[in-house]
Amino acid sequence: NAGVTQTPKFQVLKTGQSMTLQCAQDMNHNSMYWYRQDPGMGLRLIYYSASEGTTDKGEVPNGYNVSRLNKREFSLRLESAAPSQTSVYFCASSAQGGNQPQHFGDGTRLSIL
Amino acid sequence: GENVEQHPSTLSVQEGDSAVIKCTYSDSASNYFPWYKQELGKRPQLIIDIRSNVGEKKDQRIAVTLNKTAKHFSLHITETQPEDSAVYFCAAGTGGGNKLTFGTGTQLKVEL
Repeated sequence: NAGVTQTPKFQVLKTGQSMTLQCAQDMNHNSMYWYRQDPGMGLRLIYYSASEGTTDKGEVPNGYNVSRLNKREFSLRLESAAPSQTSVYFCASSAQGGNQPQHFGDGTRLSIL
Repeated sequence: GENVEQHPSTLSVQEGDSAVIKCTYSDSASNYFPWYKQELGKRPQLIIDIRSNVGEKKDQRIAVTLNKTAKHFSLHITETQPEDSAVYFCAAGTGGGNKLTFGTGTQLKVEL
């Protein structure tokens, strides 16, 4: 099992360009999450999907959209990238129910010039 | 919303010593407290978690304690080794949607 797979691993964009980050999990998890990680600020939740067909905003949703394509896949889209969105983006998944451990992918390192 | 504070931001110990990292949270409804270890350039990995119905949990050299009255929880690593060097994150969750709020991390360095 690969666990949580994110693509691409690295990306450089110009301000104003759009981009979709892909995430897929093979653990049959119901819940999926997108975080961004910036130096000194820990991991901040952008959006999450508690189950297939539902999505909700997290702590820092502005400038992002998400799609829960099916149970396995959860994508994050930047419609008009800004330098402030330069970050490392992590996708995670967890089993259904409260208090379940979240398992992370390897991350996407995104730079916006 | 939930706010999690983590201290210290950096911690340096000698090999074989113990390390303690402390976190406080604000939402009394939080009932799940995981700890993650992140090596440089890698993904965060769960090392231990505790739920609010217990006060302490131990796994080999790692232990976590929880004080719900004071709203704080701590990670204890005994007999530290160089491979324990990493950034450690605490988090708090309230079940339901399984959302987590993370602390800002502690850079642990174990020196020979």
